[in-house]
Amino acid sequence: EVQLVESGGGLVQPGGSLRLSCVGSGFSFSSWMMNWVRQAPGKGPEWISSIDSRSIAIYYADSVRGRFTISRDNAKNSLYLQMDSLRDEDTALYYCARDGRPLDHWGQGTLVTVSS
Amino acid sequence: EIVLTQSPGTLSLSTGESATLSCRASQSVSSPYLAWYRQRPGQSPSLLIYGASRRAAGIPVRISGSGSGTDFTLTISRLEPEDFAVYYCQQYGSSLITFGQGTRLEIK
Repeated sequence: EVQLVESGGGLVQPGGSLRLSCVGSGFSFSSWMMNWVRQAPGKGPEWISSIDSRSIAIYYADSVRGRFTISRDNAKNSLYLQMDSLRDEDTALYYCARDGRPLDHWGQGTLVTVSS
Repeated sequence: EIVLTQSPGTLSLSTGESATLSCRASQSVSSPYLAWYRQRPGQSPSLLIYGASRRAAGIPVRISGSGSGTDFTLTISRLEPEDFAVYYCQQYGSSLITFGQGTRLEIK
């Protein structure tokens, strides 16, 4: 069974940083493109970043480009999101999702709250 | 960026009825790389349809997708209590994935 488990969320002040992690199991993690998607309270999902299996092709949404960095460690079956210069509007539940074109498996999410 | 607009915003129906949800793209979706997801309260989105009309594993035949180009439809026949949720369309034909704003399907 495919499982994705996110961690690292929490309360952070505006301008602060946070690093999210996602561990995958039940599939060959190193073979799959992976994504981060977030969902603000009461809103729809917003895709924010993708990384291919070998970390060669990386994409970002305009809303996070230059502030967030996606990375992965295939030896640890792990996906990461380094979030810097956080803003109030980054408050959301952050999901990692496996990219089978489309996003065929999602984790349960980790909550990030940006507030002073 | 391809903008997806879903309608209606809310759909109120009774169990046993049929639901028709619409998703319109601001430009043609290639291939078509168009998916539909269902999100129940407190859960993450779950894939229903991909490639505009292909059912994901375990999705019943009463749930179907259609469309091409810029206009896509999700149809749910014989509504059951577990169908009442929020539905999102998503395009994945470009490197920048986008979602629609969602349609809430509620019990009348």
